[in-house]
Amino acid sequence: QVQLQESGPGLVKPSETLSLTCTVSGDSISSYYWSWIRQPPGKGLEWVAYIYHSGSTTYNPSLKSRVTMSVDTSKNQFSLRLRSVTGADTAVYYCARDSSGWNRLEYWGQGILVTVSS
Amino acid sequence: QSALTQPPSASGSPGQSVTISCTGTSSDVGGYNHVSWYQQYPGKAPKLMIYEVSERPSGVPDRFAGSKSGNTASLTVSGLQAEDEADYYCSSYAGSNNVLFGGGTKVTVL
Repeated sequence: QVQLQESGPGLVKPSETLSLTCTVSGDSISSYYWSWIRQPPGKGLEWVAYIYHSGSTTYNPSLKSRVTMSVDTSKNQFSLRLRSVTGADTAVYYCARDSSGWNRLEYWGQGILVTVSS
Repeated sequence: QSALTQPPSASGSPGQSVTISCTGTSSDVGGYNHVSWYQQYPGKAPKLMIYEVSERPSGVPDRFAGSKSGNTASLTVSGLQAEDEADYYCSSYAGSNNVLFGGGTKVTVL
């Protein structure tokens, strides 16, 4: 049973950096692609980024200048850092496994609400 | 790139069929067969229902079917059941290593 769990601060101040970690169990992170998707309250989904186990990354062009993803195979975790956050970055952040690298998000974490506010 | 276009709502009576459209461009939906559909209940994570336009993951009922024509993909739910009432999102690979989502469609079972 593949399970993903997001963790990190639920509150971040404007202009600071949002940092989240996704811990994977029931599967090795040394396979597949691993993604972050976010959903502002009451709104739709937005793809943020994905990383291959090798460390190769792909970012949403609209966020590319502020986003960094990394993977820690020893801990079976991957992470997201989003710099210079504003209120527009307030959202539920989901981590997910892309089983093909072609937008097949088959397993999702439960999501974590991150609020940007002073 | 803009989000894919979905109708905000759709509805049907139990047993009937409902079809949700997802319109993009030749740079995303029309250019690739990497279209997925997700079902989301309030407060829950999305669930993959369809991938590669028309493929169903294991465990998804065959009442759910995906298709594509030109720049528009569609999800049809046949034999509508109360449990199908949820939000549905389409998603497409959009080239240049980009992925787009639609704005979502709320399906109501009357």
